Amino acid sequence: SAVISQKPSRDICQRGTSLTIQCQVDSQVTMMFWYRQQPGQSLTLIATANQGSEATYESGFVIDKFPISRPNLTFSTLTVSNMSPEDSSIYLCSVETDNNYGYTFGSGTRLTVV
Amino acid sequence: AQSVTQLDSQVPVFEEAPVELRCNYSSSVSVYLFWYVQYPNQGLQLLLKYLSGSTLVKGINGFEAEFNKSQTSFHLRKPSVHISDTAEYFCAVSDGGSQGNLIFGKGTKLSVKP
Repeated sequence: SAVISQKPSRDICQRGTSLTIQCQVDSQVTMMFWYRQQPGQSLTLIATANQGSEATYESGFVIDKFPISRPNLTFSTLTVSNMSPEDSSIYLCSVETDNNYGYTFGSGTRLTVV
Repeated sequence: AQSVTQLDSQVPVFEEAPVELRCNYSSSVSVYLFWYVQYPNQGLQLLLKYLSGSTLVKGINGFEAEFNKSQTSFHLRKPSVHISDTAEYFCAVSDGGSQGNLIFGKGTKLSVKP
């Protein structure tokens, strides 16, 4: 299965600032997925990122708040913009590693906004 | 719409005891079902998945789960747990439509005590 390197692993940020999270995969993948895991909650899909096209956002998530880049088949970034304490969560990237619903997840970015 | 309910937020057990982590889902269509494990400060790792065929699915680390369509359940079991099984376990469902659109439960924290 694919190996995902996600950075940073954690950060503490001031409200009003932005943080960019990076995901690097050791193989080429068509789609990458970004999830949010709020404290005590389940994982929620933020958006799906295809190389060469704009990301597709789920209901409740917008590009201005969570811009995503996908410059090639092995890399993607998620930016959390104009942060507030409500953005404090774990953010995870994921890829499908086979054609049989084998999804691999990064180790996550634990974000605290103060 | 699909949803996943993990009935227990925390399950404490003693080492070598059996454990069952409960998961119920709701969906109006055929589903694919998954169990993921998240060890402290790590990403999600796929334990097992049900796509079709035998309703008893065996996964890694000695875990197994049984798909029960009539009860809309997919409970995870292990006959004898180890300290190293201490982690958070997530049940997830997909309708097989949008790739990556996994709907997760809120998770169950399994604590194995000596």
